[in-house]
Amino acid sequence: DADVTQTPRNRITKTGKRIMLECSQTKGHDRMYWYRQDPGLGLRLIYYSFDVKDINKGEISDGYSVSRQAQAKFSLSLESAIPNQTALYFCATSESLAGGVDEQFFGPGTRLTVL
Amino acid sequence: QQPVQSPQAVILREGEDAVINCSSSKALYSVHWYRQKHGEAPVFLMILLKGGEQKGHEKISASFNEKKQQSSLYLTASQLSYSGTYFCGTGGGFGNEKLTFGTGTRLTIIP
Repeated sequence: DADVTQTPRNRITKTGKRIMLECSQTKGHDRMYWYRQDPGLGLRLIYYSFDVKDINKGEISDGYSVSRQAQAKFSLSLESAIPNQTALYFCATSESLAGGVDEQFFGPGTRLTVL
Repeated sequence: QQPVQSPQAVILREGEDAVINCSSSKALYSVHWYRQKHGEAPVFLMILLKGGEQKGHEKISASFNEKKQQSSLYLTASQLSYSGTYFCGTGGGFGNEKLTFGTGTRLTIIP
């Protein structure tokens, strides 16, 4: 079984709809991240969490919200989806590393299309 | 601010060598390298830390020049399996425990 799973893997939705992307991990890591990937722009950080009570905005958090329901679960929500949120979304996890960033393990990605 | 990677794309024949560069406008604490094959998730290659420490799983060579705020990834005797997009990520240090990724270098290896 995969260590980091994402659901759904593909989603097509309409402008204005609320949508949730889910991420689960069995690696026992404290840190979890949500990234967005667009062609030519690389991976951009949306939100990250160091534990259930510690959630931080990344560089492109506008239009998104997150919930860390448990150590193993980190969900990303689009409250009112818009077409320019069409992208490939990755969840990642890592061990805690004081003052640093450890190796990140990525989920398989969710391809989201907003019409 | 995203680190800058160069080149943006490169095509090599099997057995040839490649160097991928990553430059930052900010002082570097650590540099991460990941490879992403088409349609797949990024996979960790290595971390280089200020002070010289390195961590990696593959036989890949890289350098980290703190003064120049640059890192380079060296792919020698390239194999078909090296094809993919390579990303560097910079970050680390207290209060900055997250990565900012570059826009990637697409490497294509042809037989």
